[in-house]
Amino acid sequence: NAGVMQNPRHLVRRRGQEARLRCSPMKGHSHVYWYRQLPEEGLKFMVYLQKENIIDESGMPKERFSAEFPKEGPSILRIQQVVRGDSAAYFCASSPPDGETQYFGPGTRLLVL
Amino acid sequence: GNSVTQMEGPVTLSEEAFLTINCTYTATGYPSLFWYVQYPGEGLQLLLKATKADDKGSNKGFEATYRKETTSFHLEKGSVQVSDSAVYFCALSDGTSYDKVIFGPGTSLSVIP
Repeated sequence: NAGVMQNPRHLVRRRGQEARLRCSPMKGHSHVYWYRQLPEEGLKFMVYLQKENIIDESGMPKERFSAEFPKEGPSILRIQQVVRGDSAAYFCASSPPDGETQYFGPGTRLLVL
Repeated sequence: GNSVTQMEGPVTLSEEAFLTINCTYTATGYPSLFWYVQYPGEGLQLLLKATKADDKGSNKGFEATYRKETTSFHLEKGSVQVSDSAVYFCALSDGTSYDKVIFGPGTSLSVIP
């Protein structure tokens, strides 16, 4: 059973470009969570999604950030017009419908030049 | 609101030393408590968890006991190894209709031979 998959593992973008981060949850998991880890800091919750629904996006910046989890395919975290402050590690986690334990992917490390 | 506080690092220990990483929490209701470990360049891995008061979670020689009276979940290991060098995150799940995990800031541990 493969774990949570994230790609790319490393992403370099210039200011103003778009960043797309992908997350494939574990098999059988229908809940996906995105977190951001700034250098030397802990993880901060961004958004919680179920298939085709955003359940809680209280941790998402109001502008430039969006997330989706379509019926088919991976969950996508999209950052438009990136700025240097967006440089961070972005982690995805998934859990089964009746489970509270979240399983994390290896993360995508975004560097904005 | 709910929150998690951890002892500040970095913590440096010699191999075979005793480890304690303090964690206290603030929460309404009856949260579940977790310790996650993050090895360099990797994502978070669940180390252990406890779901109710007086439960003891254990894994790989690490232990933590859910103490409701002191709102604590301290991580302990009797004899650390170099391979235990990592960042350790205490976390809670607030037990609402979905499980948004709230993380502490993390404690960096370095074990030297």
